Parts: sequence; structure tokens; C-alpha cells
Amino acid sequence: AQKITQTQPGMFVQEKEAVTLDCTYDTSDPSYGLFWYKQPSSGEMIFLIYQGSYDQQNATEGRYSLNFQKARKSANLVISASQLGDSAMYFCAMREGRDNAGNMLTFGGGTRLMVKP
Amino acid sequence: DAGVTQSPTHLIKTRGQQVTLRCSPKSGHDTVSWYQQALGQGPQFIFQYYEEEERQRGNFPDRFSGHQFPNYSSELNVNALLLGDSALYLCASSFWQFKNIQYFGAGTRLSVL
Repeated sequence: AQKITQTQPGMFVQEKEAVTLDCTYDTSDPSYGLFWYKQPSSGEMIFLIYQGSYDQQNATEGRYSLNFQKARKSANLVISASQLGDSAMYFCAMREGRDNAGNMLTFGGGTRLMVKP
Repeated sequence: DAGVTQSPTHLIKTRGQQVTLRCSPKSGHDTVSWYQQALGQGPQFIFQYYEEEERQRGNFPDRFSGHQFPNYSSELNVNALLLGDSALYLCASSFWQFKNIQYFGAGTRLSVL
């Protein structure tokens, strides 16, 4: 079974509007972390935001917020006020295990976001 | 503060050859992970090094091996290259004790002909 599922291969959004990128995950580990990364055409994976499974509040980082619904096992990324520079691939990833354990990241297949001027 | 650096940026090899990729972690980080990203897919975990030991390994054959040096830098070696090894190889560094947030380099694009 897929551990991380991103069901939107590609999305368009109008500049200055908000957009939600979907991510669902599957784990039986009570301790896990969820991450979002941005990958421009240059190839570098840029860390955006992190949510721990025990965090009570949804994570926010500037224009990025994570809509964490634990019961539904979803961790959607919300980008507010989209900019042209937001056009890129976006990956959702999960780490299973405690925070101080060096566990691997499992990635989804990604969503390509295109921002229209 | 230098981020994660990888070398070389591009590499072309032929089937059967061997290749070594290099990674220097972000300043202060002590853990290095390697990922393979085929075209159009998400990255796949290869292995992770901490304190010069391989701590975890993904589903990759023994042709893939690695090393971590005392200064925390790392190498990824691939022997007997196959056409299917063509991919972007990403190195990520992190601090073992803090939330395992991994910061990535720009990658090495390997083409096997």
C-alpha cells in the first residue's frame, strides 16, 4: 500500500489566490512527522513546513500552512496569495518514528503547481 | 552559512562502470541521507549515515554503497551501472537529535548510456 498519496498530478492557480495541495498518508506508528518540500526545475528540494503527529496546532510558515486532520490521515498544504515563483513540484513526505530517531523519509508522487499571471 | 553541497552536478557514464557522488552536509549537521529520484517520480530513500555508520537502508541492491567521513561528509558509490540507474541523486543532511528535518542539496544528475 502507498504510504503517501498525492492525488493531484497537476494544478493551476491564479496569481494572488490561495491553493490547497492534497496529501493522505498511511501509518500504524503513533509517532510520525509530515513534511512538505518544493522542487523547482533546478532540482533542489526546498523544505517548507513540518507537522508532528503530537502537535496540537496546525503548522504555519509564512504563506504556507498545513491542514492536519489526524483522523482522516490527511496533511494538506495551503499556499496563500500565490506568486509566480510558487510554480514548481510539491512533495509530501513522512517520517515514522520518534523525533530523535534518524528515520528515512517516504515521499509521495508529487503535484505540479502552475501559477497563472 | 553554506547549505548542502553536492558534486558533481552532472555525470555521464556507460553501463558497467562505477561512479562516486559526493556530499557535504549543512554546517552543524551530523547525519547524511541519500535519495534516488527517477524522472517524474518522488525521491526514493537509499541509505542514511550517522557517526560513520549506515543506520538505515532502503530497498536498493548491494551495488549501492556509501561512506561517511569524520567531518560528516559522505560518498555514494554505485558499481556495475545499469541504464535504470539514470536519475537525480539527492543528498540530505540533518541533525540527528532534532526532528529529523532534512535539508537537501541540488543533486547530481547521472545519465547511464
